[in-house]
Amino acid sequence: DAGVIQSPRHEVTEMGQEVTLRCKPISGHDYLFWYRQTMMRGLELLIYFNNNVPIDDSGMPEDRFSAKMPNASFSTLKIQPSEPRDSAVYFCASRPGGPYGYTFGSGTRLTVV
Amino acid sequence: GQQVMQIPQYQHVQEGEDFTTYCNSSTTLSNIQWYKQRPGGHPVFLIQLVKSGEVKKQKRLTFQFGEAKKNSSLHITATQTTDVGTYFCAIFMEYGNKLVFGAGTILRVKS
Repeated sequence: DAGVIQSPRHEVTEMGQEVTLRCKPISGHDYLFWYRQTMMRGLELLIYFNNNVPIDDSGMPEDRFSAKMPNASFSTLKIQPSEPRDSAVYFCASRPGGPYGYTFGSGTRLTVV
Repeated sequence: GQQVMQIPQYQHVQEGEDFTTYCNSSTTLSNIQWYKQRPGGHPVFLIQLVKSGEVKKQKRLTFQFGEAKKNSSLHITATQTTDVGTYFCAIFMEYGNKLVFGAGTILRVKS
């Protein structure tokens, strides 16, 4: 099992540009989560999906952020337009149904200049 | 909303010394999870505690869940340089089915 796969690993973009982060969860995991990590705010849950359906997006900062999960093996997090304050490490995580531990991807380090 | 306080924020120990990090909640928890994140890495699941007073061990790591299920601790015996990283506790919120992380304790080990 290759684990949770995220791409790209690093992204540097200019303010105002659209950014798309990608995630492939572990096969068979029913839940997928997007987290953002910064020094100031720690690990924040942005949104999570259950069986490809968005369940809770209350952590999404604002309308510039959107996430989709078109099928069980792929999810995207899009920021449009990006701003310097969006600079952070974005993690995707997945888990099976039930109160199990999460498996995190290696993250995408986003820098908006 | 439900939150968990984690202390200390940072600890720097000499190799061979013990280390403990604590998580405290004002409300009763259904369970608590612990994760480790190496510098530049991603959080890695260590363990989940569910029962009141539960104690679990993983080699030099000892995890405890308080009798009232409002606090938890992670203790490392005789730290090694491989233990460096940030240790997070996390509450699994069933009603929302989502995990909320504490602020983490950064551990540095001096050899």
